[in-house]
Amino acid sequence: QPVLTQSSSASASLGSSVKLTCTLSSGRTNYIIAWHQQQPGRAPQYLMKLESSGRYTKGNGVPDRFSGSSSGADRYLTISNLQSEDEADYYCETWDSNFYSLFGGGTKLTVL
Amino acid sequence: QLELQESGPGQVKPSETLSLTCTVSGDSISSGVYYWSWIRQPPGKGLEWIGSIYYSGITYYNPSLKSRLTISVDMSKNQFSLKLSSVTAADTAVYYCARRNPTLFDYWGQGTLVTVSS
Repeated sequence: QPVLTQSSSASASLGSSVKLTCTLSSGRTNYIIAWHQQQPGRAPQYLMKLESSGRYTKGNGVPDRFSGSSSGADRYLTISNLQSEDEADYYCETWDSNFYSLFGGGTKLTVL
Repeated sequence: QLELQESGPGQVKPSETLSLTCTVSGDSISSGVYYWSWIRQPPGKGLEWIGSIYYSGITYYNPSLKSRLTISVDMSKNQFSLKLSSVTAADTAVYYCARRNPTLFDYWGQGTLVTVSS
């Protein structure tokens, strides 16, 4: 069972909102994660750190349209007022008890 | 503003050693609680953590790569390096260096494509 599970794809219309989900495996519901955005042909960029409480801390320059929330084992990334440049792959990330880094499989977001 | 820049050969022959260097600018590699890390992404696939190093030399390696992997740090040059031995086509990927702060990545390099081919 993967530690982090993400849907492989999502889509939403320009100007609308979308909520992406990253689900932690059993026993890890208190884990902190990070969200990263990877636009086509570019390196990933850090978006935010997201705690189990729902508190999130965004990286420098991340637009207000990006927000995070949590519920149990689920960590969410919500993008409001979708723009064309938000079409990208989104990865969640955490670490395990051995201090090894772990990534979810990524969600490909299409802006219609 | 922190910047990380990968450098190294874009092509490596099968069975040889892949060597990359990451140059850090905008901060000292020995400051703070950061772990300097390598991550790779095979074409069309997701992200895979390779390993991380603290400036003192403490390392954490992905168990699946550990037997072939060496990550080192050169504080005098503000650089850290990756060596992956006995490469095969499965090691073809874009390789990224990144800063782990101290448990999550917050800065990424632009990445460099390494192709394993004869």
